[in-house]
Amino acid sequence: GENVEQHPSTLSVQEGDSAVIKCTYSDSASNYFPWYKQELGKRPQLIIDIRSNVGEKKDQRIAVTLNKTAKHFSLHITETQPEDSAVYFCAASRSYIPTFGRGTSLIVHP
Amino acid sequence: NAGVTQTPKFQVLKTGQSMTLQCAQDMNHNSMYWYRQDPGMGLRLIYYSASEGTTDKGEVPNGYNVSRLNKREFSLRLESAAPSQTSVYFCASSGVNTEAFFGQGTRLTVV
Repeated sequence: GENVEQHPSTLSVQEGDSAVIKCTYSDSASNYFPWYKQELGKRPQLIIDIRSNVGEKKDQRIAVTLNKTAKHFSLHITETQPEDSAVYFCAASRSYIPTFGRGTSLIVHP
Repeated sequence: NAGVTQTPKFQVLKTGQSMTLQCAQDMNHNSMYWYRQDPGMGLRLIYYSASEGTTDKGEVPNGYNVSRLNKREFSLRLESAAPSQTSVYFCASSGVNTEAFFGQGTRLTVV
């Protein structure tokens, strides 16, 4: 089955800095790569996703890049704000059954 | 639009007791999932149902059973709870290669 590795497990930045979270996957047939944000005590919610036919996608301060050859994808958050503090999960799937990474706890210091 | 509704929100069980977690979605999704979330372990798949009438084991199925009652409902049963099943449980649903929508979660403590 699919295996997703996510790094780092904890990321601490100053407000205004950029944050980068990286994931690798094992199944070359995976073709959908979503990222979820989970605030404390809440459910995970999608913040951005990318499909295998696209190399990069942006949405305001958030961007995701995908390298299919190397089987890795990354989340980039620019101009971080305290409200970006949360746990972020990457996932990979082909058609359904998302497999999640272990999560990254992002802490943004004011 | 309720999305994914999961009950209960909190539960405390004694070792050996049984319980069923209920989940329903109103988005007409074929696929539904049960995950458990433990600190540092991410979201681990317990069971999934690719479509109505089918269920399959995920990464950590031992000690659990599931029922896909109809297209909307997917329940998770603990027959004899153990302290190792203390966790936060999430139900989720999705379409084909689309985002997964999660329920609010169930915080289960087994003492």
